[in-house]
Parts: sequence; structure tokens; C-alpha cells
Amino acid sequence: EDQVTQSPEALRLQEGESSSLNCSYTVSGLRGLFWYRQDPGKGPEFLFTLYSAGEEKEKERLKATLTKKESFLHITAPKPEDSATYLCAVQTLNTGNQFYFGTGTSLTVIP
Amino acid sequence: NAGVTQTPKFRVLKTGQSMTLLCAQDMNHEYMYWYRQDPGMGLRLIHYSVGEGTTAKGEVPDGYNVSRLKKQNFLLGLESAAPSQTSVYFCASSLRGVRGGTEAFFGQGTRLTVV
Repeated sequence: EDQVTQSPEALRLQEGESSSLNCSYTVSGLRGLFWYRQDPGKGPEFLFTLYSAGEEKEKERLKATLTKKESFLHITAPKPEDSATYLCAVQTLNTGNQFYFGTGTSLTVIP
Repeated sequence: NAGVTQTPKFRVLKTGQSMTLLCAQDMNHEYMYWYRQDPGMGLRLIHYSVGEGTTAKGEVPDGYNVSRLKKQNFLLGLESAAPSQTSVYFCASSLRGVRGGTEAFFGQGTRLTVV
């Protein structure tokens, strides 16, 4: 059975304190791994897609990496506006075009 | 370019009432999805569609029906609402990817309360 697990559930950082969020997956054939940001009361907003182990994507203070078992979302020198819930999702050979989501990491950046 | 638009944004229903949630996308996407989001459960797929006139069940389809009569619209129906269907509902759409999947774009959500 395909599984997606995110850790930690919640993370509090001081402004400027870099850290990483984890998304581990156990799937039968990964087609794509997706990172989203979700602000309270809003829909998820797309950040990155990763397809192959070793792939990396960057956007401002965020960098996503992918291995054969997990993905990391690295946040460098975060600012309060980076506070949000970060979700990862997978598409697999079993699920085809469906996206299956982890439960997310709630990030709070304290000024 | 509005992206994915959901109506209504908020709704309160009494147990046993019916309603339809409307999702419209203007990006000419083939795939459309309905998710529900509950605290601690994450986003769970209810139903999805891979093209006009097609629908399929996701993880939690019981108590819901869907229709996709036009490519740009995907409707989610609750025939007899139950308190367990209190949730935030999200619609999403995506293109058919060549290499692998392509990202999904989400609407702003519908907050439904069943009393």
C-alpha cells in the first residue's frame, strides 16, 4: 500500500533559523512528488515537482530535494511570511493521475 | 484568468438536506478532483475525472456523487447530508502529463457544516 508520511507535524523557528521538513514515501513506482504551501483558509498553492532521485528545485528561501525514499524541503533563513502548512503529495504507478497527500507540517516562524 | 473557482464558499446544511458544490476551471485541464480536508487527516480524494463525461471513485467516495458534463465544470453532490460530512472541500485540476504527473491547481475551498 502506498504511504506518504510528513514530519514533524509542527515546527516553530526563529526568524533566520534554517531547518528542513521531511516527506517520506513508500510507493510502488513514483511518477512525481509535489510540494504545496497552504495558508489558513486558503487552498494549497503549488511550489515544486520532483520526478527523479537526485533532483533538486529552488525558489527563494525554499529548496526541495528527492531521494528514493524521501523528500526534504529546506528552508534557509526563514521569515515570518514563510509561516504556513507545507504539504507533500505523490503520484504513483498505482494511483495514476491521482494525488495522494501527507498530513502536512505546520511551520511557524517567530520574528 | 481565474484558475479554479468554487461556489459556494460557505454553507450550513441540516442533516438530510442535499446540495451541489460547483467547481469551474478556465485552464482547459483534462483532470479534475474533489478533496475533503479534515484536521489531522490531510487531504483525502473523494472523486476525480480524467475527462469530460468520465468520473471515478477516490479514497472516500461514500455519500457523494459527481458529474462532469462539460470539460470546465466538475460538480460534487451530497444527496442526504450527514454531520460526518462537515469538512472543507477543495476542487483541483491538472493537465495530463507526459513525463509523469503535472501539478494540480486548487480552488479556495468550500467550508460546509452539517448540523
